[in-house]
Amino acid sequence: DGGITQSPKYLFRKEGQNVTLSCEQNLNHDAMYWYRQDPGQGLRLIYYSQIVNDFQKGDIAEGYSVSREKKESFPLTVTSAQKNPTAFYLCASSRTGGTSGISYEQYFGPGTRLTVT
Amino acid sequence: AQKITQTQPGMFVQEKEAVTLDCTYDTSDPSYGLFWYKQPSSGEMIFLIYQGSYDQQNATEGRYSLNFQKARKSANLVISASQLGDSAMYFCAMREVSGTYKYIFGTGTRLKVLA
Repeated sequence: DGGITQSPKYLFRKEGQNVTLSCEQNLNHDAMYWYRQDPGQGLRLIYYSQIVNDFQKGDIAEGYSVSREKKESFPLTVTSAQKNPTAFYLCASSRTGGTSGISYEQYFGPGTRLTVT
Repeated sequence: AQKITQTQPGMFVQEKEAVTLDCTYDTSDPSYGLFWYKQPSSGEMIFLIYQGSYDQQNATEGRYSLNFQKARKSANLVISASQLGDSAMYFCAMREVSGTYKYIFGTGTRLKVLA
């Protein structure tokens, strides 16, 4: 079955440590995204990538880094520079494609709940 | 700048009744897509329904329909015959042709279905 996997589901880290969240998709989608969600809030875009070896900052990229070395993988590193890293992180992917691209919905992974103490 | 507004932070509906969740958007692009997602307490995002800016008819998917009023820039989600399992957060989102494949999300509406 095609889909997006995120691991782990729950992650605990000590303050000052970098941590990498995994995101893998087998949907053959070109575009991939990382969102942060705080309790009772909407989704805020951290980074997105439209093609391998290319990515763009979203609205809240400070303290985060990504890589896109393979089409199916888009890992997110939460660095020690991120002041409030405790949150729910969602990875998503979508097809791309010109004017017809507006109809392509995003597919989401199950999310990773990161707690930093 | 493109923006999605959901003005209802929380809604209650009686089981088997219909409910409308509001969504207004702002864009200068003539071509765009509008989406609704459901997020249960488990956290995963579930795609519900899509409406294109050039679609002449309102989209429907089972118990979900989208009340699209282009002139008012609104794309309200209507859930008919509410079920207890419909209790969740609901997000409205938009994607533009001229955008860089970014999706803009609203802040969401928490729906609680009462037995």
